[in-house]
Parts: sequence; structure tokens; C-alpha cells
Amino acid sequence: AQSVSQHNHHVILSEAASLELGCNYSYGGTVNLFWYVQYPGQHLQLLLKYFSGDPLVKGIKGFEAEFIKSKFSFNLRKPSVQWSDTAEYFCAVISSGGYNKLIFGAGTRLAVHP
Amino acid sequence: DGGITQSPKYLFRKEGQNVTLSCEQNLNHDAMYWYRQDPGQGLRLIYYSQIVNDFQKGDIAEGYSVSREKKESFPLTVTSAQKNPTAFYLCAISSGSGANVLTFGAGSRLTVL
Repeated sequence: AQSVSQHNHHVILSEAASLELGCNYSYGGTVNLFWYVQYPGQHLQLLLKYFSGDPLVKGIKGFEAEFIKSKFSFNLRKPSVQWSDTAEYFCAVISSGGYNKLIFGAGTRLAVHP
Repeated sequence: DGGITQSPKYLFRKEGQNVTLSCEQNLNHDAMYWYRQDPGQGLRLIYYSQIVNDFQKGDIAEGYSVSREKKESFPLTVTSAQKNPTAFYLCAISSGSGANVLTFGAGSRLTVL
């Protein structure tokens, strides 16, 4: 069965620090990969996605993620975080051609201190 | 809500009672989903439906039931057989910007007393 692992459950950073959240998945075939974000009191929303092509994808609010097929990874990065980035971040994967069954990781809670 | 409406936002129920959560969409999307969110466990798929009058079990379907009689509606019933029903329930639809991109509703928080 497919699974998604997020390495850090809680991350605490100061503003302007760099961020990298790890995500690994277990599926050998073609996959579509996503990062979703849930700001306090708000809907879960799409941050960025990878379907094909350039493995470095850019999302909203300065986030980017790199798909490394050989490592089954899709880590999320941001060079300089802001207090407003405080949120919970979820990595998700779906097998291409599947029944749209999106499998989520456990989530990483990010707290950014001013 | 981006075309997805979940209700109620908060719900309390006594043990042994069934409760139905509503999910309505006005974006004319075929696929609808129900996820359950628990702290430290991410989102887990309960049921999903690709077309009207058809639905499939997700990873944690036990104790839940759904129906898809209309394209715009996908209600979830949490039955008394669900052993740990207190959770945050999220409905989603597949977005038009890519078949696998999901758009989520605001969620319903169910508390069993």
C-alpha cells in the first residue's frame, strides 16, 4: 500500500530562517505529488504540486519543492520564513492513473517566532 | 468556501446516536471525497465517489456510510458502530485544474459526549 512519511512532526523557527520539510513516499510507479497547507482556522489549501516535467516546482508564497525520484522524496523548502507561515503542512501522493485516492502524510506543524 | 459547503461546522452527539454530515458543491465536479483529520495522523480517506450512484470505501470506512444520489451532494453518516467518532471531517472535490487536485471544504468538527 502507498504511504507517505513526513519526518518532522513539529518544527520551530525564527523569522528569516530557512525551512526544509521532509517527505518520502512508498510507491514505485508514476506518482503525482502535493503539498497542502492548513493555516490556523482556515481551509486546507494547495501549496504546490508535481505532475511531470521539471522536478523543481514552485508554489505560492515563495515555497518550492524538489521531486527526487531515486530517493522517493518531495521535500518542501522556503529560503526565509515569515511569521505568517505558521501552519500545518501536509505532503500527499497519488498514483498516476489511480482512482484519485490521495494519500496524506501525518503533517508537520510549523511555528515561526518573530 | 470555493464552491464546497460543509454543515454543520460543529456538532455534538451522544454515544449510540447516528449523525449525518452534509457536503454540497456547486462546481459540477464528478469526484467527491470524505477525509477524517486527527492530530498527528494527517488525513485519512473514509469514502470517495467518482460518479453519481457509485462510491468506494477508503482506508477507514468501518462505522461510516455515504450516499451519492445527486452530483452536488455527498453526505456522510457517522454510525454508532464507529468506535472513535470524535474528529474533524473534511469533504473534498476534485478540482478542474488537474484531475488529481483536491479542493477542500471548511470541515465539520464532531464531538461525541
